[in-house]
Amino acid sequence: DAGVIQSPRHEVTEMGQEVTLRCKPISGHNSLFWYRQTMMRGLELLIYFNNNVPIDDSGMPEDRFSAKMPNASFSTLKIQPSEPRDSAVYFCASSHHQGGNTEAFFGQGTRLTVV
Amino acid sequence: AQSVTQPDIHITVSEGASLELRCNYSYGATPYLFWYVQSPGQGLQLLLKYFSGDTLVQGIKGFEAEFKRSQSSFNLRKPSVHWSDAAEYFCAVGVGLTGGGNKLTFGTGTQLKVEL
Repeated sequence: DAGVIQSPRHEVTEMGQEVTLRCKPISGHNSLFWYRQTMMRGLELLIYFNNNVPIDDSGMPEDRFSAKMPNASFSTLKIQPSEPRDSAVYFCASSHHQGGNTEAFFGQGTRLTVV
Repeated sequence: AQSVTQPDIHITVSEGASLELRCNYSYGATPYLFWYVQSPGQGLQLLLKYFSGDTLVQGIKGFEAEFKRSQSSFNLRKPSVHWSDAAEYFCAVGVGLTGGGNKLTFGTGTQLKVEL
């Protein structure tokens, strides 16, 4: 398996623009997580899905952030409008949960810079 | 709420020397514990995990970690460090989620530098 695939790897955008980050989880995994990594706050969980349904979005910082998972093989994280303080590395992770605990597998991340 | 403390922000060791990275957690129940490694510009790779059973767990790349409930610790060790081990290491505690899986709370990370 190719692992968790995120696109783009790097994104530079101007303040106020809409940004969409994409994630393809590992085939067969039924949980998907979006994390954000910054120097100030470290790694934070933004939202997670189970069987394509958003379960907990309490980590989403503001209404400007939204996430969807229209099917088991694709998820998006959208920021509209973007602000400079959204600059961070955004990671998607997936895991499979059937009959026990398993670990999360991370993508390589999207480095977002908002200027 | 759960939390993870990695008291060492930076550690420098010589190649071939032993390594121990410290991790302390706070969680009211039996924790699920993880160590991840992140190389520059890369995602997080799982080194090892503890769910239950033997408190000494073996991972990839020659790493091991020991769960000590009395000390709320899960320190990562390697007997002989290689230059390729230079990276950032994250300890995490997992809390069970509705529907399965774990919500990971990460420590702030320890940056490992290896001197040749």
